[in-house]
Amino acid sequence: DGGITQSPKYLFRKEGQNVTLSCEQNLNHDAMYWYRQDPGQGLRLIYYSQIVNDFQKGDIAEGYSVSREKKESFPLTVTSAQKNPTAFYLCASASDRLYNSPLHFGNGTRLTVT
Amino acid sequence: QKEVEQNSGPLSVPEGAIASLNCTYSDRGSQSFFWYRQYSGKSPELIMFIYSNGDKEDGRFTAQLNKASQYVSLLIRDSQPSDSATYLCAVNVNDYKLSFGAGTTVTVRA
Repeated sequence: DGGITQSPKYLFRKEGQNVTLSCEQNLNHDAMYWYRQDPGQGLRLIYYSQIVNDFQKGDIAEGYSVSREKKESFPLTVTSAQKNPTAFYLCASASDRLYNSPLHFGNGTRLTVT
Repeated sequence: QKEVEQNSGPLSVPEGAIASLNCTYSDRGSQSFFWYRQYSGKSPELIMFIYSNGDKEDGRFTAQLNKASQYVSLLIRDSQPSDSATYLCAVNVNDYKLSFGAGTTVTVRA
């Protein structure tokens, strides 16, 4: 079955530690995205990548980093510079530009930093 | 002004009734509009997308788009308890960016 796999489902870290969230897709989609969701709020875009070896900052990129070395993989690192890292992180992908292809989401990673 | 605004909710409807969800957007250049359903603790799942003015029906769901008035709505007919969820409206800002509303929580009363 094709889909987007995020791991782990739950992640706990101490403040000051960097942490990397995994996202893998086997949909052969070119574009991949990372969103953050806080309780009662809509999704906010962190980073996106249109093709391999290229990515752009979204609306809230500060304190995060990404890489896109393979088409299937788009890991997100939450660095210690991120002020409020506790959130629900969603990886998504799309086959083409968003005006003619919808966004599909993975199951998410819930990160708690204490 | 937020890019995408949804009616605040929560919206409570009896089983079998029609649930009506509204969404307005600020960018007149937006071309594609999406409705996602999100159950508590889960990730969003796509239920409808619409690109042209008018209505688009899929089972019990109907999306309505009015670009002149800059709104898109979602109707859920014959609401079921399984429709209880938060519904997110999303609008494309450019080729690779969607702007999401905060969501409207729907509760269907049995």
